[in-house]
Amino acid sequence: AQSVTQPDIHITVSEGASLELRCNYSYGATPYLFWYVQSPGQGLQLLLKYFSGDTLVQGIKGFEAEFKRSQSSFNLRKPSVHWSDAAEYFCAVETGANNLFFGTGTRLTVIP
Amino acid sequence: NAGVTQTPKFRILKIGQSMTLQCAQDMNHNYMYWYRQDPGMGLKLIYYSVGAGITDKGEVPNGYNVSRSTTEDFPLRLELAAPSQTSVYFCASSADSANYGYTFGSGTRLTVV
Repeated sequence: AQSVTQPDIHITVSEGASLELRCNYSYGATPYLFWYVQSPGQGLQLLLKYFSGDTLVQGIKGFEAEFKRSQSSFNLRKPSVHWSDAAEYFCAVETGANNLFFGTGTRLTVIP
Repeated sequence: NAGVTQTPKFRILKIGQSMTLQCAQDMNHNYMYWYRQDPGMGLKLIYYSVGAGITDKGEVPNGYNVSRSTTEDFPLRLELAAPSQTSVYFCASSADSANYGYTFGSGTRLTVV
């Protein structure tokens, strides 16, 4: 069965520092992979997605993610975090069954 | 550019009451979804629809019902509310399964007391 693991429940970084949020998936084939961001009281917004091809994908708001098949990972990165990036981040996998499976999320706190 | 609209935003129900959560999208998307979000649990799929007249169960369908009479609307019905249904509910839509990402509504926060 497919699953998504986000091992970090909460991460705190200083503004201007780099960020990496971890995501591991379990699935027999290459899945479609997504990162979503949720600001407080809001719905989820798509940051980026991976289907095939180049394993480094660029998204909105300066985020990028790298697909590593050997590690079953799809980690999200940003070189310099802004205070407005404070939010909850969800990794998700789509396996062709008409729905996304979400990880449990990582809450990002940005300190000045 | 309304996207996905959910109503109401907040609701308190008593145990045993019923209600319908409304969801409408104006993007002519075929696929629509209902998720519930509980703290520390991520999002769980309740029901989904691949087009008008077609619905199917997701991961946690018990206690809920849906209908899809038009492309635009996908209401979620709770018949006998239970405290376990206290959650935040999100509706989403997509043009073609999950391949192009989902557009989410802003959610309905439901409390059952």
